[in-house]
Amino acid sequence: AQSVSQHNHHVILSEAASLELGCNYSYGGTVNLFWYVQYPGQHLQLLLKYFSGDPLVKGIKGFEAEFIKSKFSFNLRKPSVQWSDTAEYFCAVNALAKAAGNKLTFGGGTRVLVKP
Amino acid sequence: EAGVAQSPRYKIIEKRQSVAFWCNPISGHATLYWYQQILGQGPKLLIQFQNNGVVDDSQLPKDRFSAERLKGVDSTLKIQPAKLEDSAVYLCASSSPHGTGGNPSHYEQYFGPGTRLTVT
Repeated sequence: AQSVSQHNHHVILSEAASLELGCNYSYGGTVNLFWYVQYPGQHLQLLLKYFSGDPLVKGIKGFEAEFIKSKFSFNLRKPSVQWSDTAEYFCAVNALAKAAGNKLTFGGGTRVLVKP
Repeated sequence: EAGVAQSPRYKIIEKRQSVAFWCNPISGHATLYWYQQILGQGPKLLIQFQNNGVVDDSQLPKDRFSAERLKGVDSTLKIQPAKLEDSAVYLCASSSPHGTGGNPSHYEQYFGPGTRLTVT
């Protein structure tokens, strides 16, 4: 079964700093990869996704992620964060072995606090 | 477009009591998911429905948890009897194949606000 690990549980940084959140998964086959974000008091929502093609994926609000297959990683980045990026970020994987389903396996999440 | 609706938003019960959660997916979404999110962890899939049929319930503790989606629209998740370790947020999500070329793994899942359950 696949698993997802996020390296940092909590990150605190100042506005305009750069952000990088690590995500590694364990599954030897083909995967689809996602980053979800949960802003305070709001629902989980999709930030970006990778299915195939260019391993550098751009999402909403200036976020991007790079899929490195050899490292089983899908790290999230943003060059310059804003206070409004304060949220919890979840990496998720969908292993394509189960064609009938669309099961997402989530990492434990990283809480990001951006200080104004 | 209305989002995924869930109720109640909060529930406090004593152990050994029963509880039920309700979810109404986005209109037209055939696939519905229930996730359990324990504090400090990511969501874990409990059960996935395609219309009114179960696709995956491999992680559902079937001795105490049950779920149904009788008419293929809204769904109910029940816990009976509850244990302390069931304290968590229960998330409902739905997805649709529209615009994805028919590949199930491309379907974006839309999440509801969740129900926060506290078992004392």
